[in-house]
Amino acid sequence: NAGVTQTPKFRILKIGQSMTLQCTQDMNHNYMYWYRQDPGMGLKLIYYSVGAGITDKGEVPNGYNVSRSTTEDFPLRLELAAPSQTSVYFCASSYSRGGNSNQPQHFGDGTRLSIL
Amino acid sequence: GQQLNQSPQSMFIQEGEDVSMNCTSSSIFNTWLWYKQDPGEGPVLLIALYKAGELTSNGRLTAQFGITRKDSFLNISASIPSDVGIYFCAGQLGTGNQFYFGTGTSLTVIP
Repeated sequence: NAGVTQTPKFRILKIGQSMTLQCTQDMNHNYMYWYRQDPGMGLKLIYYSVGAGITDKGEVPNGYNVSRSTTEDFPLRLELAAPSQTSVYFCASSYSRGGNSNQPQHFGDGTRLSIL
Repeated sequence: GQQLNQSPQSMFIQEGEDVSMNCTSSSIFNTWLWYKQDPGEGPVLLIALYKAGELTSNGRLTAQFGITRKDSFLNISASIPSDVGIYFCAGQLGTGNQFYFGTGTSLTVIP
């Protein structure tokens, strides 16, 4: 079982460039999440999805877009990269039947993104 | 966003010692989670707590959901070198899908 796979692991972008961070999971989980982690800080939720075709904003969505066309994939797109988006990005997934079981349980190993 | 304060910020302990850390908030949470993050990896969920006063163990780890619902505690007994890492708490307001993370407690275990 691969779990949650993120690509690329590292990337350097120039200001104004765009890119897509890929995330795929093979556990048939309905919930997927994107977080960013700045140095010395906890994770902040960017976007999440409760199932294919459904996405919603988290705490820090500005400058990002997501889509969820399949259960497996949840890509995160940066349209106009800015230095403030330099961070480590984590994708996570969980299987939820509702109620108390919707916490992010399985994380990928992260994408380290630098914008110069 | 919500502010979760974790303390201590860092700990240096001898192997075999017990460890205590906590997480506090100004808001009432319905769920508390504890994660461990190793360098270069994503967080791993250790313990989930759903009721005020709940005490849950996972091996040498024990976590408690505070009675006020504004805090949570994590204890590690008889620490070993592989306990090294950063421990994060996370809390959920209401029944929404957003969890707010603390800033982490960095644990170093000296053999």
